[in-house]
Amino acid sequence: GDSVTQTEGLVTVTEGLPVKLNCTYQTTYLTIAFFWYVQYLNEAPQVLLKSSTDNKRTEHQGFHATLHKSSSSFHLQKSSAQLSDSALYYCARDSNYQLIWGSGTKLIIKP
Amino acid sequence: EAAVTQSPRNKVAVTGGKVTLSCNQTNNHNNMYWYRQDTGHGLRLIHYSYGAGSTEKGDIPDGYKASRPSQENFSLILELATPSQTSVYFCASGAGGEDQDTQYFGPGTRLLVL
Repeated sequence: GDSVTQTEGLVTVTEGLPVKLNCTYQTTYLTIAFFWYVQYLNEAPQVLLKSSTDNKRTEHQGFHATLHKSSSSFHLQKSSAQLSDSALYYCARDSNYQLIWGSGTKLIIKP
Repeated sequence: EAAVTQSPRNKVAVTGGKVTLSCNQTNNHNNMYWYRQDTGHGLRLIHYSYGAGSTEKGDIPDGYKASRPSQENFSLILELATPSQTSVYFCASGAGGEDQDTQYFGPGTRLLVL
């Protein structure tokens, strides 16, 4: 069936170091779009990145992700973490006018 | 970007009481969604709608009803609230389309059922 997997529930990174949050998927659909949402403390989820093009890097707010259909992945990366990046991050993919959500990864950036 | 508002923002209810959570969006999106968010469970879809007059069951519809009287408004109804329904509820809207159905979220409603 269709699913999105985020393997890390919690990721802790020192400020200034790189960040990578993992996202893999299973799908029965050929045409798919993927999203990363970010949710800051006591706020609503908001879209950070979206992509439907294989092997194309998508960037926003210093974060980037590349959809790799060959490995069924859409990992989120940033070269240098900032304290303000601490948040909950969700990976999601579209499916028949809905979104299938991963379980979320809490990212903590420490000084 | 879609403007989605929710009311109330906070609600305390008693077990067995009726609770109505309201959502309004002003960008003429066809699709609207209700989620609940609990620690350890992420976002779970309760009900959704493709347009005025339509409601569909999501992944966890038991104990909830939904109503979409107009394009702008989508309500979530707890007829007999239980403590297990204590949660944060988010409404979202999306324009729809074959792919890239970005959803835009409201600020959320914190519900406490005593």
